[in-house]
Amino acid sequence: GALVYQYPRRTICKSGTSMRMECQAVGFQATSVAWYRQSPQKTFELIALSTVNSAIKYEQNFTQEKFPISHPNLSFSSMTVLNAYLEDRGLYLCGAREGQDTQYFGPGTRLLVL
Amino acid sequence: GEQVEQRPPHLSVREGDSAVITCTYTDPNSYYFFWYKQEPGASLQLLMKVFSSTEINEGQGFTVLLNKKDKRLSLNLTAAHPGDSAAYFCAVSGSGTNTGKLTFGDGTVLTVKP
Repeated sequence: GALVYQYPRRTICKSGTSMRMECQAVGFQATSVAWYRQSPQKTFELIALSTVNSAIKYEQNFTQEKFPISHPNLSFSSMTVLNAYLEDRGLYLCGAREGQDTQYFGPGTRLLVL
Repeated sequence: GEQVEQRPPHLSVREGDSAVITCTYTDPNSYYFFWYKQEPGASLQLLMKVFSSTEINEGQGFTVLLNKKDKRLSLNLTAAHPGDSAAYFCAVSGSGTNTGKLTFGDGTVLTVKP
């Protein structure tokens, strides 16, 4: 079946430092990967949508300079949170889309910023 | 862009009762609709996906109704049990250039009391 792995599951970083998170699709070829952040209040924000061989599209309030994404093939994507601060904390979810419809989510990377 | 409103934000029912969660969306071109369940500390579990040609879908212990005329999507847990206690999120997939982007509702925290 389709599985999405994310690493690390949980990370703590000091304010102003950076951390990288990874997303791996297993059992299917992901036509696109979307990165979301779920705030401590549980609401979701789309950070960016990445389609292989196409430019990565960032949503308003999110930039490549702050959240650079690498998507080298159909099964792997990584995103870095640069200069993390308190407002960046949350659960970062990777959604890998199979075909035209279903997006499968990984378990998320929970980011805590001290 | 797409806006999704989900109601109610909190719902408490007795075991065996039904529980109904509703989402309304704004973009008439939206094509794919999803319900996810999120247990505490966990990621999103796909419950049901609904496409524009489907109005009613039945899963294990729940029913999803899509009304495209009213731009309304609902999840009905027919006989809730304590294991159903979780946060539930609807998500609407964009079309065209927004394909692959999910807009989430703000969630419903369901509590099922024994």
